[in-house]
Amino acid sequence: AQSVAQPEDQVNVAEGNPLTVKCTYSVSGNPYLFWYVQYPNRGLQFLLKYITGDNLVKGSYGFEAEFNKSQTSFHLKKPSALVSDSALYFCAVRVASMIKAAGNKLTFGGGTRVLVKP
Amino acid sequence: DGGITQSPKYLFRKEGQNVTLSCEQNLNHDAMYWYRQDPGQGLRLIYYSQIVNDFQKGDIAEGYSVSREKKESFPLTVTSAQKNPTAFYLCASSIRGDRGYEQYFGPGTRLTVT
Repeated sequence: AQSVAQPEDQVNVAEGNPLTVKCTYSVSGNPYLFWYVQYPNRGLQFLLKYITGDNLVKGSYGFEAEFNKSQTSFHLKKPSALVSDSALYFCAVRVASMIKAAGNKLTFGGGTRVLVKP
Repeated sequence: DGGITQSPKYLFRKEGQNVTLSCEQNLNHDAMYWYRQDPGQGLRLIYYSQIVNDFQKGDIAEGYSVSREKKESFPLTVTSAQKNPTAFYLCASSIRGDRGYEQYFGPGTRLTVT
């Protein structure tokens, strides 16, 4: 079984300040980890992913995330938040599998709403 | 929303009616997915398909049905057996295989049943 927890329903931050959105995961095996962003009444947009290699992953719009295996975390970060970053953010996980038939089923966290104030 | 279209954007139905949501992709992806999104609950997987003419139930398949007759299309039918069908429905697709391929999402269909 695999699961994702996003412990904060909402994060408030002033424009120009650092932004962090937390995510912890649980899988039986090595994880693939993803971050998506959703604007109101829209689909999800892919931000970044961790597959293997460097623990610090850089993605779209200046976002980055750090994979921490010992803490089973994959927190999303942005050094300087913009008002336009206000949106709903989802973390997702799946276990790496050598079986192609396992497919690409993702398990999503409940989402964290980010509000960046001017 | 990258190559995936969902129609219509808003859909209204009376209770007891079946309704079919459209999902089309031009990304040449083998795998397609349907999710349901409710406030405060994130996304839950309804059905997924890894290849034409094959699909599997997700976590909340009861009251839903799908077909995958063409690679580009994965329609979802919300039947009258679905107890609480009002929700935001999202379709996604991805490359099939185990390289950690991300899913690409459509813009969604908001279904309201009264």
